[in-house]
Amino acid sequence: AQTVTQSQPEMSVQEAETVTLSCTYDTSESDYYLFWYKQPPSRQMILVIRQEAYKQQNATENRFSVNFQKAAKSFSLKISDSQLGDAAMYFCAYRSSGTYKYIFGTGTRLKVLA
Amino acid sequence: GAGVSQSPSNKVTEKGKDVELRCDPISGHTALYWYRQRLGQGLEFLIYFQGNSAPDKSGLPSDRFSAERTGESVSTLTIQRTQQEDSAVYLCASGSRYTEAFFGQGTRLTVV
Repeated sequence: AQTVTQSQPEMSVQEAETVTLSCTYDTSESDYYLFWYKQPPSRQMILVIRQEAYKQQNATENRFSVNFQKAAKSFSLKISDSQLGDAAMYFCAYRSSGTYKYIFGTGTRLKVLA
Repeated sequence: GAGVSQSPSNKVTEKGKDVELRCDPISGHTALYWYRQRLGQGLEFLIYFQGNSAPDKSGLPSDRFSAERTGESVSTLTIQRTQQEDSAVYLCASGSRYTEAFFGQGTRLTVV
């Protein structure tokens, strides 16, 4: 069975600085999707970034980028120029390309310090 | 609507009562998911529906929990004989094969 591990329950970053959130996963499949979701206090889950496993190029979305290491089964999220609005819970998620079921990590709470 | 809609936003119920939570997915999305999120915790998978396939119910915690979906539209999650440990936010999401899951704002259930 697939698993997703986020080993950092909480992280802090100074405003305008860069922070990296870690995520590792375990799977025997070769084709899958990986996601980072953000959940602010409003509790609305919002997609931050997605990565298809067959793509070697790391996904980027403005200040958000990932470091996808397929062999190591690692999928970290880098947030550059952190803003107060980035404060939230961040969840890493895995989905096999053959199914629709998402497996979520336990989350990392990010605090942004002014 | 443009997004996933859940109702009610908040529900307070007495222990032992039954509750129904509703989810309206994004039109055209074949997959629909229910998750439970206890305070300060991660997402706990409950059930998902995909098209006409049998739903994956592997996450339902007890037989007090059930869910239905009408075709590729509305879903209801029913909790019978609610207990205090059922208090949580219940999140619904919908998606398709080539998109990510889009989430609703959740229903906060409080059992008193």
